[in-house]
Amino acid sequence: QSALTQPPSASGIPGQRVTISCSGSTSNIGSNSVTWYQQLPGTAPKLVIHNNNQRPSGVPDRFSGSKSGTSASLAISGLQSEDEADYYCTAWDDSLTGWMFGGGTKVTVL
Amino acid sequence: QVQLVESGGGVVQPGGSLRLSCAASGFTFSNYVMHWVRQAPGKGLEWVSFIRYAGSDKFYADSVKGRFTISRDDSKNTLYLQMSSLRPEDTAVYYCATETDSPFDYWGQGTLVTVSS
Repeated sequence: QSALTQPPSASGIPGQRVTISCSGSTSNIGSNSVTWYQQLPGTAPKLVIHNNNQRPSGVPDRFSGSKSGTSASLAISGLQSEDEADYYCTAWDDSLTGWMFGGGTKVTVL
Repeated sequence: QVQLVESGGGVVQPGGSLRLSCAASGFTFSNYVMHWVRQAPGKGLEWVSFIRYAGSDKFYADSVKGRFTISRDDSKNTLYLQMSSLRPEDTAVYYCATETDSPFDYWGQGTLVTVSS
């Protein structure tokens, strides 16, 4: 099963806006909602965006999500040092009848 | 609050078997889909399997189909993953995760499985 496609890395200075892309196909992102997770070093993943653009309670409004066609994006505005982490997207794939994860994007705060 | 605690990881030889457990609390376990997700050392996340409430449906990633079996005991609020015919490429931290309001919304701390001779 192939993963959804994410850039391996992204970076920015504090206060900057960083955007992470997640590319898929008609059978996954094109047909189903996208969810995003943050994984700090040595910890379990944490949900930051669900249903393409919905933020769970407790997640700062600096995090936002969007989806268009077979691609999705996670944006972090006003980048902070504590945002330095790996970020993963996921979506259900109708053809594979399974969940697909992106390969992950490491965000570095310069 | 939701709490998930995995156990059962360890070192096993190739071809061997292992059973992982995930003890759940803080929510009505029997009502929700439960998942297993793994992460090989230094690698990304890989979905392994999920089971619907009452064990009505089970789905597996192609990489584990026929070798792993997911199950649940709602009377004990516990999720299981029986792993057999283990391979070195199954070496990973295995997480259990809930789907109460959205996919993988709560995660355990993970348990490490190492397949090596």
